[in-house]
Amino acid sequence: GQSLEQPSEVTAVEGAIVQINCTYQTSGFYGLSWYQQHDGGAPTFLSYNALDGLEETGRFSSFLSRSDSYGYLLLQELQMKDSASYFCAVRDHAGRRALTFGSGTRLQVQP
Amino acid sequence: GAGVSQSPSNKVTEKGKDVELRCDPISGHTALYWYRQSLGQGLEFLIYFQGNSAPDKSGLPSDRFSAERTGGSVSTLTIQRTQQEDSAVYLCASSPGVGDTEAFFGQGTRLTVV
Repeated sequence: GQSLEQPSEVTAVEGAIVQINCTYQTSGFYGLSWYQQHDGGAPTFLSYNALDGLEETGRFSSFLSRSDSYGYLLLQELQMKDSASYFCAVRDHAGRRALTFGSGTRLQVQP
Repeated sequence: GAGVSQSPSNKVTEKGKDVELRCDPISGHTALYWYRQSLGQGLEFLIYFQGNSAPDKSGLPSDRFSAERTGGSVSTLTIQRTQQEDSAVYLCASSPGVGDTEAFFGQGTRLTVV
């Protein structure tokens, strides 16, 4: 079956850097995505990696290693508003556009 | 519209009743997805539409669940004879349908079965 593993909770302080890891076991692989979800809100897209390496978008970066079935989301210069749940998701079939999501990592940023 | 719109935002229903949840995707998006999210959990895929057809219904948990999409736009998810375990947030998302890397989610419908 398909599975994605990520830590359930992470705590960090304002201004710090935090890395949220994701390992996946899927029958196929067509890209790793990251989504942010604030309590009661809609998931919003952060990043997408189809190829190995680091993608940077402002304070957020995402990394993928296909050979290790591993990726991470790096959040720099943490702000209180970054407190949210972060989900990794894999598209695991070429003909299946839907994503398989991990259970999410709840990030708490403390002053 | 400007974003994905779902209605109602909250629905409380009695066990055994049928419910209909509606999703208005972003105009022009041909791909539409339904997911379910239980409290503190990840998103569970239910069904995917490309246009009006559903090439992937593999996530529907039972035959009590069905969905349709008309005019390549609005979609309705119907749950018949609701059970307490159906209580969750039902999220709809859409994407352009070509070269997609990003899905756009609605705020969801919180369904409570009592």
